[in-house]
Amino acid sequence: AQSVAQPEDQVNVAEGNPLTVKCTYSVSGNPYLFWYVQYPNRGLQFLLKYITGDNLVKGSYGFEAEFNKSQTSFHLKKPSALVSDSALYFCAVRADSGAGSYQLTFGKGTKLSVIP
Amino acid sequence: IAGITQAPTSQILAAGRRMTLRCTQDMRHNAMYWYRQDLGLGLRLIHYSNTAGTTGKGEVPDGYSVSRANTDDFPLTLASAVPSQTSVYFCASRTSFGEFYGYTFGSGTRLTVV
Repeated sequence: AQSVAQPEDQVNVAEGNPLTVKCTYSVSGNPYLFWYVQYPNRGLQFLLKYITGDNLVKGSYGFEAEFNKSQTSFHLKKPSALVSDSALYFCAVRADSGAGSYQLTFGKGTKLSVIP
Repeated sequence: IAGITQAPTSQILAAGRRMTLRCTQDMRHNAMYWYRQDLGLGLRLIHYSNTAGTTGKGEVPDGYSVSRANTDDFPLTLASAVPSQTSVYFCASRTSFGEFYGYTFGSGTRLTVV
């Protein structure tokens, strides 16, 4: 069975400092990995994805993620955090139930707080 | 604007009542999904549909039913609501064409069962 782990419920970082939100995954076959962000009382917004190719993926709002196959990780990073980055972040992996549904399996989410 | 529309935005529902959450997409995506979001649990899949006329069960299907009469609509029905179904519900769809592979989410329906 596929799974995603986000080991930190909350990450606090000072504005201007680099940020990392951790994600590890378990999946059979090639992984399709995603990061989404959710602002309070809003839906999920797509940040970036890894399907194939370069291990460093660049996404929206200055975020990037590094795919590490040997460590089965897909950590989200940003060189300089903004207060407006404060939100709930979800890592997800494409799963296949066997019926070809290819649904996303989500981690439990990490709340990022950027402190002014 | 292409995307997913969910209705209602929020609802307070008496336990035992029947409720249908609506989801409509205009992107002609074949695959659609219903998730529920609960604090500390992330998003969990309730039901999915690979194409019109077919549906399947996800991780937490009990108490919910879906139908897919056409490509655009994927309603989620709670036959007899219970308080444990208090949650935020998200509908999503998937495209699978090359670099555009990805999932689109609606804005969600916040349901409170009392």
